[in-house]
Amino acid sequence: QVHLVESGGGLVKPGGSLRLSCEASGFRFSDYYMSWIRQGPGKGLEWLSYVSVDSTYTNYADSVKGRFTIFRDNARNSLYLHVNGLRAEDTAVYYCARHQNVNSVFFDHWGQGTPVTVSS
Amino acid sequence: DIQLTQSPSSLSASVGDRVRITCRASQGITNSLNWYQQKPGKAPTLLIHAASTFQIGVPSRFSGSGSGTQFTLTIDSLEPEDFATYYCQQSYSTPITFGQGTKLEI
Repeated sequence: QVHLVESGGGLVKPGGSLRLSCEASGFRFSDYYMSWIRQGPGKGLEWLSYVSVDSTYTNYADSVKGRFTIFRDNARNSLYLHVNGLRAEDTAVYYCARHQNVNSVFFDHWGQGTPVTVSS
Repeated sequence: DIQLTQSPSSLSASVGDRVRITCRASQGITNSLNWYQQKPGKAPTLLIHAASTFQIGVPSRFSGSGSGTQFTLTIDSLEPEDFATYYCQQSYSTPITFGQGTKLEI
């Protein structure tokens, strides 16, 4: 059974940094593209970034380009998101999500999310 | 960026009703449109991809249609568990974008 578990969220001051993690199980992690998606309080979904199976390709939303870095460790079945220069508007629940297959950009499994609050 | 506009933003309905949610894209996206359901405090779940293809396990009362710029999610005969927020998402080009959501309430 596919399982994605995020961790690493918390309360951080403006300008601060965090590393979010997503541990995958129940499938061959190295065969799947992965994405990070967030949802601000009471707001809709915002895709942030994806990474290819071997980390060759990454892509970012303009809102986080240059501040966030996605990477993966296939040996550890883990996905990460380094978030820097945090702003109040980055407050959200951060989800990792699996792309259904290598040719698809939609998400068949999601984690439960890890909350990030940016506040002084 | 491709903008997705859902209508209505909220909808009140009763158990047994048929409802339709529309998603309009700012430019043609062929059939690269996906639908998700999200319940409060939970992650979204994929219902339909490629505009009309069911995800395994999704009840047959859900259906999707459309292509180009206009898409529809239809729910026949609402069940109590269908009251949730629904999002469309385009997979035609990056950045990947979502509609603003449609909240379906009793």
